[in-house]
Amino acid sequence: KAGVTQTPRYLIKTRGQQVTLSCSPISGHRSVSWYQQTPGQGLQFLFEYFSETQRNKGNFPGRFSGRQFSNSRSEMNVSTLELGDSALYLCASSVGTGQGYGYTFGSGTRLTVV
Amino acid sequence: AQSVTQPDIHITVSEGASLELRCNYSYGATPYLFWYVQSPGQGLQLLLKYFSGDTLVQGIKGFEAEFKRSQSSFNLRKPSVHWSDAAEYFCAEPTYSGAGSYQLTFGKGTKLSVIP
Repeated sequence: KAGVTQTPRYLIKTRGQQVTLSCSPISGHRSVSWYQQTPGQGLQFLFEYFSETQRNKGNFPGRFSGRQFSNSRSEMNVSTLELGDSALYLCASSVGTGQGYGYTFGSGTRLTVV
Repeated sequence: AQSVTQPDIHITVSEGASLELRCNYSYGATPYLFWYVQSPGQGLQLLLKYFSGDTLVQGIKGFEAEFKRSQSSFNLRKPSVHWSDAAEYFCAEPTYSGAGSYQLTFGKGTKLSVIP
């Protein structure tokens, strides 16, 4: 059974550009969550999608957005990149939404903004 | 606000020694709790989870964790550490964020170094 796949693994972008990251969840998983990991702030929740609907969003500016497709694949977009957006972006998938479901994480996308 | 506390930022142990990583949670009388491990440059791998029932939970790679409600703790243990266990370990708890949705709240992590 394939795990959570995130593409690309690495990205280098220039300040002011925009970027799109992709996440393919485990087959049958309908919930996809995104987290940002930085040395200073640790792991912070970005948003969760379930059945193509955003269920919840963390405390991030509107430059961070996402969507989920009918096959449960999800993308997140960051516009007008800032140096502080450099981070490891992790995607997690789950069968459903709720505290009782386990979360499986992908290997992440390492974004560097220069 | 809900929080997960991992008091130890960095721990160094000798290979073959026992290990205990501490975690304190603050949300819920009957919480759901997770331990994840992250190798450098990698994502998070689930080691074990506590949902209810037995307070001693067995996980992968020889790890176990004990849930203690009286101490709000969920400490991770391993009897004999291997060099390959060197990584960063995260304790996490789902916290309610409205509209039937939960998000994982993570501790700051404990980095484990293993001396050969």
